Amino acid sequence: DTGVSQNPRHKITKRGQNVTFRCDPISEHNRLYWYRQTLGQGPEFLTYFQNEAQLEKSRLLSDRFSAERPKGSFSTLEIQRTEQGDSAMYLCASSPGLAVGRETQYFGPGTRLLVL
Amino acid sequence: LAKTTQPISMDSYEGQEVNITCSHNNIATNDYITWYQQFPSQGPRFIIQGYKTKVTNEVASLFIPADRKSSTLSLPRVSLSDTAVYYCLVVPKAAGNKLTFGGGTRVLVKP
Repeated sequence: DTGVSQNPRHKITKRGQNVTFRCDPISEHNRLYWYRQTLGQGPEFLTYFQNEAQLEKSRLLSDRFSAERPKGSFSTLEIQRTEQGDSAMYLCASSPGLAVGRETQYFGPGTRLLVL
Repeated sequence: LAKTTQPISMDSYEGQEVNITCSHNNIATNDYITWYQQFPSQGPRFIIQGYKTKVTNEVASLFIPADRKSSTLSLPRVSLSDTAVYYCLVVPKAAGNKLTFGGGTRVLVKP
């Protein structure tokens, strides 16, 4: 059983650098979500895709953040000019996308980013 | 969007039943109650979802009273591996499919 995978699992970068994370959803899942989680808090929604279309973006997703899902399969989340406040766990989730609302989301292990 | 309130932390011992109550006073008619579990350094994992009365699966039971303003997640006979953070979520029928997590309840199971 292949679940949601994320790479890299850990990333340390210096302030001002750009970073890119990759998420591979469960095969044939049409919906893909990105969340951010800081220490001691629950995950916060960032954005989600239905196939290749980005349907919603949170206000948390500043213009330094960009997410893509070019062929409706894997997705990338890029952070430009990283800031120390970007240090967090970035979680990806996917769901089948066959129902309206209330689908179980399957989360990956996350990418932990540390900005020095 | 209905806000959820749950205890910050709970301690228990192996073999005991753990009950976590979540309040969601402003729950709407079409909202469902969903619980996720998260282990350290892992993504959340779906446990159970319900609308009213009682739902049971191989992992947990979910009790929802008639007014649906609260719900209780019940974990029977916990083991050390049940130590995790448990999140109660109210999921609207049409919320852009995003999940809104609160702070969760940190459950520590002691030997």
